[in-house]
Amino acid sequence: DAMVIQNPRYQVTQFGKPVTLSCSQTLNHNVMYWYQQKSSQAPKLLFHYYDKDFNNEADTPDNFQSRRPNTSFCFLDIRSPGLGDAAMYLCATSRDRGDIQYFGAGTRLSVL
Amino acid sequence: GESVGLHLPTLSVQEGDNSIINCAYSNSASDYFIWYKQESGKGPQFIIDIRSNMDKRQGQRVTVLLNKTVKHLSLQIAATQPGDSAVYFCALISSGSARQLTFGSGTQLTVLP
Repeated sequence: DAMVIQNPRYQVTQFGKPVTLSCSQTLNHNVMYWYQQKSSQAPKLLFHYYDKDFNNEADTPDNFQSRRPNTSFCFLDIRSPGLGDAAMYLCATSRDRGDIQYFGAGTRLSVL
Repeated sequence: GESVGLHLPTLSVQEGDNSIINCAYSNSASDYFIWYKQESGKGPQFIIDIRSNMDKRQGQRVTVLLNKTVKHLSLQIAATQPGDSAVYFCALISSGSARQLTFGSGTQLTVLP
């Protein structure tokens, strides 16, 4: 059974139209991460939550925001998607910082 | 900063042969190392990890070797099967307060019939 669940698996949006991707976990892990992965590249960390503490990566554009309303759920909001934001978005969780990260299946975002 | 690199971007092996995927890293201040497998259209899947105080760890059909002297990590897959075809990423967890996960660039493994 999937322990890190991402919805939807595929998302199509229009240029500039806000979009929200969701992630839920059944592992009760403290840390949740969002990564962006483009074709043939390694995942790139956007930000993470350690419990309710938000940690943004220095080079993450302001266009990307995140919310974690409770332990189980975390959302990625893209306020004004551009063509360059088309990618696979991966959610991951870990029990604590520095522990093994477990990934969801990802959401493939297309921007038209 | 830290960097993790892979020697070869692609690797093709015959079904039933053993596969070896290599990874070099530059920062010796790493607590442990992880191998992930990512199939097309899916998220990375944890395969095996190894602590920095170990030099070998075995799992089911997989063995990870760590050589801290030359900062080299390898993943060996025994009796490679078609289902092993995927991109394999090595990653390391840095020591210190940040404890970030840093990915290598990935190796595409193709298993030939």
